[in-house]
Amino acid sequence: QKEVEQDPGPLSVPEGAIVSLNCTYSNSAFQYFMWYRQYSRKGPELLMYTYSSGNKEDGRFTAQVDKSSKYISLFIRDSQPSDSATYLCAMSNSNYQLIWGAGTKLIIKP
Amino acid sequence: KAGVTQTPRYLIKTRGQQVTLSCSPISGHRSVSWYQQTPGQGLQFLFEYFSETQRNKGNFPGRFSGRQFSNSRSEMNVSTLELGDSALYLCASSPGGQPEAFFGQGTRLTVV
Repeated sequence: QKEVEQDPGPLSVPEGAIVSLNCTYSNSAFQYFMWYRQYSRKGPELLMYTYSSGNKEDGRFTAQVDKSSKYISLFIRDSQPSDSATYLCAMSNSNYQLIWGAGTKLIIKP
Repeated sequence: KAGVTQTPRYLIKTRGQQVTLSCSPISGHRSVSWYQQTPGQGLQFLFEYFSETQRNKGNFPGRFSGRQFSNSRSEMNVSTLELGDSALYLCASSPGGQPEAFFGQGTRLTVV
């Protein structure tokens, strides 16, 4: 079993929908949780960074961490075709070495 | 502030050859990590350098090596290339002391 599980998709939704992307993990020592967005043929771009449990909001994006369930989510409101990309979750403990999910391919249909 | 710069962007090599990839981190960042990304395996960690010392290493054969210079620039070398080494190689920099990593555009290596 992988330390971080993420459904590779693809996840296809209509423009304007709320998107929910998720990762589960097994290592209870993880403290730092990140979401990256990667467009085709580009490097990953850091979207959201959360320490420990709770919510964090940035514009249309909300990151949630539930440490009791070992479950993290990224919500995208009012989704746009430009949000079509692969979304990767990453997490680490105090050694800062990132453990990555497989990435979910998201397609927003106009 | 300039981002992470990787050169070259694209590379085609023949089996058995060796290749060197370069990464210039964000100014002030002392940690540089290298990743291999393929459609089947996703992002796989190769190694991390901090202040010219290899701090962490992933599960890759010895054909994959790296180094970091005093100005924090890093190089990655792959010797005796195999077809399976075809991938996007990504470099990420971090200031050190925090987990956020900032990626370059990557070098796409094709081995024929």
